[in-house]
Amino acid sequence: AQKITQTQPGMFVQEKEAVTLDCTYDTSDPSYGLFWYKQPSSGEMIFLIYQGSYDQQNATEGRYSLNFQKARKSANLVISASQLGDSAMYFCAMREESGANSKLTFGKGITLSVRP
Amino acid sequence: EAGVTQFPSHSVIEKGQTVTLRCDPISGHDNLYWYRRVMGKEIKFLLHFVKESKQDESGMPNNRFLAERTGGTYSTLKVQPAELEDSGVYFCASSQDFPTSGGFEYEQYFGPGTRLTVT
Repeated sequence: AQKITQTQPGMFVQEKEAVTLDCTYDTSDPSYGLFWYKQPSSGEMIFLIYQGSYDQQNATEGRYSLNFQKARKSANLVISASQLGDSAMYFCAMREESGANSKLTFGKGITLSVRP
Repeated sequence: EAGVTQFPSHSVIEKGQTVTLRCDPISGHDNLYWYRRVMGKEIKFLLHFVKESKQDESGMPNNRFLAERTGGTYSTLKVQPAELEDSGVYFCASSQDFPTSGGFEYEQYFGPGTRLTVT
């Protein structure tokens, strides 16, 4: 069964510094996708970044990059130059892509607080 | 383009009552998903519609939950009768195509959620 693990307690980072949010996963499917979503206090889930299991390069989207280490089954999110608006809950998720199942499996989430 | 909308945003009901949550997906999205987050726990998948058909309902907790998607447009999730453990945030998401080849273009767009409190 697929599983996502996010074990960090609440994270704090100084404004303008970089921060890494950890995510490890487990799956027996050779084809899968990894996602990060941001949930600010307003509650909506905002898609940030996607990494496919066969992608050769780490995904990047603006200030977000995904440190994908396939052998270690980790997909850490790196946020560079943190901004106050980055304070939110961050969820790592996975989708197995070999079969007909397209559901997302989520981790428990990590709370990030950016200090001015 | 309007995003995924959910109604109501909040609902407080007593144990034993019935509640119906509604989700309007992005226009043209055939795939519609329901998820739930109980306080302090992971967001859990409930079910997946492709148009009006249930593709996967493996996450539905029990037969007190009934989801419908008439005409393949909006969807409703009814809880009857509600129990205390049903409290949480119910998210709806939609995507435009079946992700047979993966990729972020098949990302699921989430609605703002409905916060359900059963007292």
